[in-house]
Amino acid sequence: KAGVTQTPRYLIKTRGQQVTLSCSPISGHRSVSWYQQTPGQGLQFLFEYFSETQRNKGNFPGRFSGRQFSNSRSEMNVSTLELGDSALYLCASSSQPQGAEEKLFFGSGTQLSVL
Amino acid sequence: AQRVTQPEKLLSVFKGAPVELKCNYSYSGSPELFWYVQYSRQRLQLLLRHISRESIKGFTADLNKGETSFHLKKPFAQEEDSAMYYCALLWGNNRLAFGKGNQVVVIP
Repeated sequence: KAGVTQTPRYLIKTRGQQVTLSCSPISGHRSVSWYQQTPGQGLQFLFEYFSETQRNKGNFPGRFSGRQFSNSRSEMNVSTLELGDSALYLCASSSQPQGAEEKLFFGSGTQLSVL
Repeated sequence: AQRVTQPEKLLSVFKGAPVELKCNYSYSGSPELFWYVQYSRQRLQLLLRHISRESIKGFTADLNKGETSFHLKKPFAQEEDSAMYYCALLWGNNRLAFGKGNQVVVIP
């Protein structure tokens, strides 16, 4: 089985622009979660989608949004980029929504640099 | 509010020595805890979860609700254990909160 695939691998944007990141989960997985990883804050939960519905959302401003398609692929969008949005964005998938029994499978991430 | 604390950023141990990574949590509900690991140039992956009460690669972790801790232990460190380790708490409506991680370096 192919693992979680995130594209692009690297991205450079300037302040004020918007960006869309893509995540393809493991085949058969219907839950996709997004995390932001920075040296200062570590890994922070952004949101989770299951069967095209957002189940959970972390404490991020409305500039961060996402969606999930019927094939379980997910996209994350950040509008009006700020310097502080520079981070590694990780996507994780699981067969069921995040829970005690569930094992998350992570992608390699998209490294976003905002100049 | 929920919080996961991993006090030591960097831990260096000699091969064959015991290793213990501390994890303390703050959460008013019933905690579900995990340890995730990231080896060099690899993806973040689940190491173990408390609900399974398992030992993976010689690592164990016991949930201590009285001390609100979920420390990760291995009696004899191996070079291949060098990695970044993250403790994580499942809280609220099934959201994961991660600690800031421990970098473990095993000295041959």
